[in-house]
Amino acid sequence: EAQVTQNPRYLITVTGKKLTVTCSQNMNHEYMSWYRQDPGLGLRQIYYSMNVEVTDKGDVPEGYKVSRKEKRNFPLILESPSPNQTSLYFCASSVTGGWNTEAFFGQGTRLTVV
Amino acid sequence: AQKITQTQPGMFVQEKEAVTLDCTYDTSDQSYGLFWYKQPSSGEMIFLIYQGSYDEQNATEGRYSLNFQKARKSANLVISASQLGDSAMYFCAMREGFIYSGGSNYKLTFGKGTLLTVNP
Repeated sequence: EAQVTQNPRYLITVTGKKLTVTCSQNMNHEYMSWYRQDPGLGLRQIYYSMNVEVTDKGDVPEGYKVSRKEKRNFPLILESPSPNQTSLYFCASSVTGGWNTEAFFGQGTRLTVV
Repeated sequence: AQKITQTQPGMFVQEKEAVTLDCTYDTSDQSYGLFWYKQPSSGEMIFLIYQGSYDEQNATEGRYSLNFQKARKSANLVISASQLGDSAMYFCAMREGFIYSGGSNYKLTFGKGTLLTVNP
């Protein structure tokens, strides 16, 4: 089954404790990205990747890191999480980054930083 | 200015009736795609329908259709014969082209969403 898989689905952590949210897709997609969703603010792009070893900042990259060592994986790293990073996170992938390509989303990760 | 505007924070519809969710967009690109996603209370984002800027016909997918009015820059979602399972948050989103955006990163720009409630 074609899918984007995020783990974990739910995570409660403490301020400053490094964490990684994994994202994997099995569709051989080139383009992957991370979004966060906050009430009243909608979804905002954090980072994106056009292909392996090609990553760049989105609209709200502060406090996050990413890597793209393999085509299928695009982990999101929070080196020192803070309470303002409490949010619902989505990983998404597309065949390419074209304007006419649908984005497939993972199930979402609900992160709480206390 | 917002790129995607959804003016209805909440909508109510009776089961089996049709409902229209509004979306207007702002872009100077010639090439762009418009998407609708559904987010049920469980949280996942489900793709519903796509309309390209060069498509002359309105997109349809089962009970979903997109009323695309290019000159008015609107891309309204029409759900026919509403079902209880249609109760969810609905997001309109746009992906802009590369040439006129001067280096678009192809991100999806989302509206704030419309919460649809289907009453029995």
